[in-house]
Amino acid sequence: QKEVEQNSGPLSVPEGAIASLNCTYSDRGSQSFFWYRQYSGKSPELIMFIYSNGDKEDGRFTAQLNKASQYVSLLIRDSQPSDSATYLCAVGVTGTALIFGKGTTLSVSS
Amino acid sequence: ETGVTQTPRHLVMGMTNKKSLKCEQHLGHNAMYWYKQSAKKPLELMFVYNFKEQTENNSVPSRFSPECPNSSHLFLHLHTLQPEDSALYLCASSQERASSYEQYFGPGTRLTVT
Repeated sequence: QKEVEQNSGPLSVPEGAIASLNCTYSDRGSQSFFWYRQYSGKSPELIMFIYSNGDKEDGRFTAQLNKASQYVSLLIRDSQPSDSATYLCAVGVTGTALIFGKGTTLSVSS
Repeated sequence: ETGVTQTPRHLVMGMTNKKSLKCEQHLGHNAMYWYKQSAKKPLELMFVYNFKEQTENNSVPSRFSPECPNSSHLFLHLHTLQPEDSALYLCASSQERASSYEQYFGPGTRLTVT
């Protein structure tokens, strides 16, 4: 069974620190990787996607992909209280809809 | 309207009622999805439609009945629900069902079954 694993948290970081969110996946044929942010009571919002090994940066966010280790991460630099949310990792595998992890709750304290 | 819209945003219904949730996407996508998210639980994929054809039904009880009349509209018909069906119901769309495409979510319908 194809799985996407995330530490549920909560991950607590002080304002201004770097938050590191991690995700592992089971299917080596996975092709696409997405990070969603979900505020409490709201719907998931796409914030990053990455397809190739290495780093992809967008503002304060950096997605890192290592297909050999079946590992994808999201770094949030200069964390703000407004970044406090649940972050969902989603993985695309041929022949299926996206597979979502259970999410990691991030809490940024001011 | 832009993106993915859902109506109603909130719904309270009794166990004997029949109601429908509506989703509309304005992104020109060809795939649409229904998800259920119960309190403090992960997303559960319910149904997938690709080019109006249902491609996935993840063992969803028959009291939930989807309908996709065209690539822009998706409905979820509800009847004889149970209190444990209370949850946030999310609609999403993507370019196609293929795994490489990102999904965009609507705001959700908060359903309470009494």
